[in-house]
Amino acid sequence: EEQLVESGGGLVQPGGSLRLSCAASGFTFSNYEMNWVRQAPGKGLEWLSYISSGGAAIHYADSVKGRFTISRDNTKNSLYLQMNSLRAEDTAIYYCARRFDLWGQGTMVTISS
Amino acid sequence: EIVLTQSPGTLSLFPGERATLSCRASQTVSNNYLAWYQQKPGQAPRLLIYGASSRAAGIPERFSGSGSGTDFTLTISRLEPEDFAVYYCQRYGTSLITFGQGTRLDIK
Repeated sequence: EEQLVESGGGLVQPGGSLRLSCAASGFTFSNYEMNWVRQAPGKGLEWLSYISSGGAAIHYADSVKGRFTISRDNTKNSLYLQMNSLRAEDTAIYYCARRFDLWGQGTMVTISS
Repeated sequence: EIVLTQSPGTLSLFPGERATLSCRASQTVSNNYLAWYQQKPGQAPRLLIYGASSRAAGIPERFSGSGSGTDFTLTISRLEPEDFAVYYCQRYGTSLITFGQGTRLDIK
């Protein structure tokens, strides 16, 4: 079964950092481009970042550029999102998505003092 | 940056009725790189339509997408109870991917 499982969410103080992981299984991870998308409580979907299958091409939304870093390890079938300088408005469920046709269940990130 | 505006914000219909959801882009969506997603409470989004009109794997035929340029439509021909959810359009295939704000489809 093709699956994505996010982890690493939690409660962090403003200005803090967090690293999210997304573990892929059931498909050849290295063949696929990946994305991170978030959803603030009661709000819509916001695309955050894209990484190509080999990692050479990376894009970010303006809202996270310079603060978040996407990366992947194809030997470990894993996608990552390093989040720095976190703000209250970063509070959301964070999803990883394979080409948007396969999504994980999400991990909750709460930024609060 | 292309802005996607979905209408209506909320649509209330009876099961068995036809639903028509709109997504309008502020600029032309090149190559019809327009997708539609369904999201139910507590669940991740599910891809329904890509390329404006191609159904994703496993999506029932009652879901169809149409449109080009700046105006796109998701049609659900005959609503089933499980279709009541929030629907998002998305422009993809560029370095700046955007979602519409969503249309909530409620049972009347």
